[in-house]
Order: sequence, then C-alpha cells, then structure tokens
Amino acid sequence: QKEVEQDPGPLSVPEGVIVSLNCTYSNSAFQYFMWYRQYSRKGPELLMYTYSSGNKEDGRFTAQVDKSSKYISLFIRDSQPSDSATYLCAMRPWEGKSTFGDGTTLTVKP
Amino acid sequence: DTEVTQTPKHLVMGMTNKKSLKCEQHMGHRAMYWYKQKAKKPPELMFVYSYEKLSINESVPSRFSPECPNSSLLNLHLHALQPEDSALYLCASSPIGRGTGADTQYFGPGTRLTVL
Repeated sequence: QKEVEQDPGPLSVPEGVIVSLNCTYSNSAFQYFMWYRQYSRKGPELLMYTYSSGNKEDGRFTAQVDKSSKYISLFIRDSQPSDSATYLCAMRPWEGKSTFGDGTTLTVKP
Repeated sequence: DTEVTQTPKHLVMGMTNKKSLKCEQHMGHRAMYWYKQKAKKPPELMFVYSYEKLSINESVPSRFSPECPNSSLLNLHLHALQPEDSALYLCASSPIGRGTGADTQYFGPGTRLTVL
C-alpha cells in the first residue's frame, strides 16, 4: 500500500464549479502538507502549504487537512479553464523527504 | 528573484555522451534537490544537498553524478545513460535545509532529457 493515495483522474468539469481534489495517507508522522499544480511539460508549482490540521485559504483555493482521518483536500472555487493541470499532493514529516501522490489531472471546460 | 532556473530546457543525447544539467537559485535557499519525473508519474527524489553537502542519495545509478559548487548552483552530470533514463529532470530548492520542519520546495521548469 502506498503511503499517499490520491484520487485518480482524470477529472473534467464545466467552468465555474467548485472542484475538490483529495488525498489520503497512512503515515502519522506527516505534518506538512502541500499542493502543487503542474501544467503539461512544466515543473510543479507550489500552490498551497499547510501545517497540521485545519484550513488555509488563498484566493480561489482552500486547502483542508484532517489529521484524525488522514485526509487532505484542495478546493478550487469558480474553476477556470486556466486551472486545467495536474494537481499533486505532497506531504512530509518534521524530518525527511516529501512523499507525493500520483496526481489528478483536471480539465475545466469553457 | 523567486524562481529556480534550469538549463537546458531540452537535451537529446546518445548513450555514449557526457552532458550536464544546471540549476540555479538566488533565493538564499540552503537545500537543493534533483528529481526525475516520468510521464504521468509524480516526481521521484534522486539527490538532496543540504548546506552544499550531499545528504540524500536515493540509490541512484552512478551514471548520474550530482555536484553542488556553491549554495546557488546545482549540477547533474550525465554519462553513459540508457534510453529508460529519458524523463523530465526537475531541480528544486527549499529555504532552510532538510530536517528542519517547515521547508517547502520550489521547483524549476525542468530539463526534458531524451536518450537515444
């Protein structure tokens, strides 16, 4: 079993809806949780970074961490075609490397 | 300057060639990373340099040789690669250094490597 499982895609939605991207994990030592956006043939871009449980909002993006359920989510409000990309969750313990999910490819249709 | 730069953007090489990938950051970050990413897969960690010292080598074959000349530069020397080594090679940096908690990574755009 992988340490980090990400909802498989691809996900295709119409413009303007709320998108929910999700990851579960098994390692209780994970404390830092990141979401990256990766456009085709580009490097990952850090979108959101949270520490421990709770919510963090940045514009149309909200990252949510529930450590009791070992579940993290990224919500995208008012989704736009420019949000079409692969979204990677990543997490790490206090010491150690980041572990990435396999990514969810999102397409937002005009 | 809040970016990680990588050169070249694309590289095609034969199995007998020697080439190098370069990465640079001017954010004062003290850790730098090399990742390999195959199509539709997440990045796989190869090497970590923390304070210019190699701190992690994820059992990478010796045909990949990293070098950190100073705190801003990271190189990956390539020799006798195989076609299966074709991938996107990503460099990343993080502010504090491995093992210090809140140390998120910022990625460069990558070098797309094709080995013939």
